[in-house]
Amino acid sequence: GDSVTQMEGPVTLSEEAFLTINCTYTATGYPSLFWYVQYPGEGLQLLLKATKADDKGSNKGFEATYRKETTSFHLEKGSVQVSDSAVYFCALTETSGSRLTFGEGTQLTVNP
Amino acid sequence: GAVVSQHPSRVICKSGTSVKIECRSLDFQATTMFWYRQFPKQSLMLMATSNEGSKATYEQGVEKDKFLINHASLTLSTLTVTSAHPEDSSFYICSARTMGLDYNEQFFGPGTRLTVL
Repeated sequence: GDSVTQMEGPVTLSEEAFLTINCTYTATGYPSLFWYVQYPGEGLQLLLKATKADDKGSNKGFEATYRKETTSFHLEKGSVQVSDSAVYFCALTETSGSRLTFGEGTQLTVNP
Repeated sequence: GAVVSQHPSRVICKSGTSVKIECRSLDFQATTMFWYRQFPKQSLMLMATSNEGSKATYEQGVEKDKFLINHASLTLSTLTVTSAHPEDSSFYICSARTMGLDYNEQFFGPGTRLTVL
């Protein structure tokens, strides 16, 4: 079945540091890939998405590129802020519009 | 657009009572709604998928008689935790999907924190 593997956290960075959170996936078809962010005590918000190979999703300075050859969708940001502290979830869904499969989540803490 | 609300945001109840959580799509019609459960510092676990006007499809290991799901309209789904016990304490999150151009995208509610005493 489908699965998503994220790099283990927690991740602690200083403000303005470069961020990478690794995500790899296993899927039988051609999935759509997502990054969601969850702030403390809240639900999930879609951060960015990519629906086909080589697509780059971007939002709020975050980027991720759909790499079919390495089955990866790593999240990057060039300069993190304290307000980026949250839990980040990588997820996929098959093109049929079925269920979302989530990774384990990565806790990011950015210190001033 | 694409806003999903949940009510209540927090609920505390006594063991043995039932609790109803509402999930509403505010500005779109949700043909499908999903209910997730999240334990502290863990990922989301899909509990069930409900399509408007149909019975919910429960994931393996989820008791359908304990977690009653109703999706009577295109904008409202409810999750009722019956005879709640302390082990049911958790963060419950719903999401909604519409038959639009981006059928794969789910929109999430803010979650409901349930504490059973």
